[in-house]
Amino acid sequence: ETGVTQTPRHLVMGMTNKKSLKCEQHLGHNAMYWYKQSAKKPLELMFVYSLEERVENNSVPSRFSPECPNSSHLFLHLHTLQPEDSALYLCASSQVGQGTKNIQYFGAGTRLSVL
Amino acid sequence: QKEVEQNSGPLSVPEGAIASLNCTYSDRGSQSFFWYRQYSGKSPELIMFIYSNGDKEDGRFTAQLNKASQYVSLLIRDSQPSDSATYLCAVRNDYKLSFGAGTTVTVRA
Repeated sequence: ETGVTQTPRHLVMGMTNKKSLKCEQHLGHNAMYWYKQSAKKPLELMFVYSLEERVENNSVPSRFSPECPNSSHLFLHLHTLQPEDSALYLCASSQVGQGTKNIQYFGAGTRLSVL
Repeated sequence: QKEVEQNSGPLSVPEGAIASLNCTYSDRGSQSFFWYRQYSGKSPELIMFIYSNGDKEDGRFTAQLNKASQYVSLLIRDSQPSDSATYLCAVRNDYKLSFGAGTTVTVRA
């Protein structure tokens, strides 16, 4: 147990559905991240929130919409996805700032299948 | 040029042997370096981090960093079947981590 909890663990959705992924961290960290992991590819950073402000949006299509209501919670809202969006979506958190090592701890991930 | 490059493997080693994994990175301003282990279908878990040149040992794992050569490695001594996994090298610059594609290690009993 890393202290980062993701729900749901598995999600199957059609291309016209709207769903949300949830991430909660219990580590007192001030930064949270969404990553996408597709087969045989490196982890792709999607979004970064630091102190509840989005600091990075890595050219992610608008059908993915993040939300960070506070430092402990992060959401990824999904709508009109494509089959190529099927992947493992990972949330991570870390403590950032001067003197920190910014070690990222990952949740268990949501395995998403888009039909 | 990829930001972080690793040999994709698979790397097959007999039980009890040393597994050696390599990683190179392109950004000279990178500040710290991480090795994560990922079992099939699971999320990455941190094994080690290193930020100074030289060696850092933790149990059966040793990380080595050479900033001049932009090279970081991981040695796994006395490899066990439970070490069979994909090992991800990650490089930090500010708040951002860049990951390699991973090296898959198989330890033969």
